[in-house]
Amino acid sequence: DSGVTQTPKHLITATGQRVTLRCSPRSGDLSVYWYQQSLDQGLQFLIQYYNGEERAKGNILERFSAQQFPDLHSELNLSSLELGDSALYFCASSVDEGGRAPQHFGDGTRLSIL
Amino acid sequence: GNSVTQMEGPVTLSEEAFLTINCTYTATGYPSLFWYVQYPGEGLQLLLKATKADDKGSNKGFEATYRKETTSFHLEKGSVQVSDSAVYFCALNENRFSGGYNKLIFGAGTRLAVHP
Repeated sequence: DSGVTQTPKHLITATGQRVTLRCSPRSGDLSVYWYQQSLDQGLQFLIQYYNGEERAKGNILERFSAQQFPDLHSELNLSSLELGDSALYFCASSVDEGGRAPQHFGDGTRLSIL
Repeated sequence: GNSVTQMEGPVTLSEEAFLTINCTYTATGYPSLFWYVQYPGEGLQLLLKATKADDKGSNKGFEATYRKETTSFHLEKGSVQVSDSAVYFCALNENRFSGGYNKLIFGAGTRLAVHP
């Protein structure tokens, strides 16, 4: 158990809809990261927050947004969903922002778009 | 940009066989290198890491050495077990320590299947 909690574990929805994925980091961790794992793109970094502040962005679509709340949990919002958004979305957390500490991953949310 | 290339799988071995999974990278600067493992239905677990050239990371019988001259970080294990069956990901980080950020760049993953 990594200590990173992601909910829900599975999400099934239709094209055009909007969903919110939630992540609770390990106790004491200030950084939260989001990654997307898909069959065609592999594992890709989406975005990092540190103590509520956005720190880095990867190839995150404009239809996707994220935030980190004062209690340090994070949400990833995906809107106007397309079939290609079907993927496993991972959240990770670490105690620092710059990479001295390792990232610990949750078990992921599997998103299926019908 | 930075990238990681690892050998395609699946790799199929008998129990107690020797394992090598090749990983090479392209990077500016001096990234840290990682191996993560993903068991079925689970998230990624950090297996080992190395932070500078010639460092050797090791854990649970797995080893990898950071080779700057060949830009490689090959994963090895002397005697695999059925329980090692999983997908293995090589990764590097793009980061800045102070006031910074840290993103992992992953290879495509290599599936390992170990048979009794």
